Amino acid sequence: DTGVSQNPRHKITKRGQNVTFRCDPISEHNRLYWYRQTLGQGPEFLTYFQNEAQLEKSRLLSDRFSAERPKGSFSTLEIQRTEQGDSAMYLCVPGGRRVTNYGYTFGSGTRLTVV
Amino acid sequence: QQPVQSPQAVILREGEDAVINCSSSKALYSVHWYRQKHGEAPVFLMILLKGGEQKGHEKISASFNEKKQQSSLYLTASQLSYSGTYFCGTPSLTGNQFYFGTGTSLTVIP
Repeated sequence: DTGVSQNPRHKITKRGQNVTFRCDPISEHNRLYWYRQTLGQGPEFLTYFQNEAQLEKSRLLSDRFSAERPKGSFSTLEIQRTEQGDSAMYLCVPGGRRVTNYGYTFGSGTRLTVV
Repeated sequence: QQPVQSPQAVILREGEDAVINCSSSKALYSVHWYRQKHGEAPVFLMILLKGGEQKGHEKISASFNEKKQQSSLYLTASQLSYSGTYFCGTPSLTGNQFYFGTGTSLTVIP
């Protein structure tokens, strides 16, 4: 049990379609991060929420990407007009103050394949 | 700001030891180590918060040299289950971002 559920686990979509991923932390966490990981690379930071406020966004997050955390609990990540370069694993990481002592617990991720 | 790891890849026989290094051009405020198996999300191994700190279990341990902006992960008497990609990582000054290292692929063979 990773403490966070991500859906769907896998998504195959045609180029140009929109996709939405969901992240549900099991317990309350005031912080939530999204990362993207392409094959052979380490996870790359995308965005960070503190409660419902999106406080930081990476330059990787183009205007085709949008993330929300409407009630400070679950979060969604939407990609519009998908491109093949968007194919990656999208990882959600809930966190709080304790993460600095206990590390990040990643969700199982959503693997996106754009064909 | 991505930490650089070395080596990029290593192959060990069961029972052999390995050292994975992580270095940063910027200050390291703390260092995390993660292991990722193929097709799975990274799993947290340990965190080092202070320079000079050493941590870990008998067979997997790590050190943190804050002045040199380096950390090392030590795997002794490796087991087949140690295979995977190892990442170091460090938070930004604000703690709002986290930078993973370039990764080290470790393969343990019988």
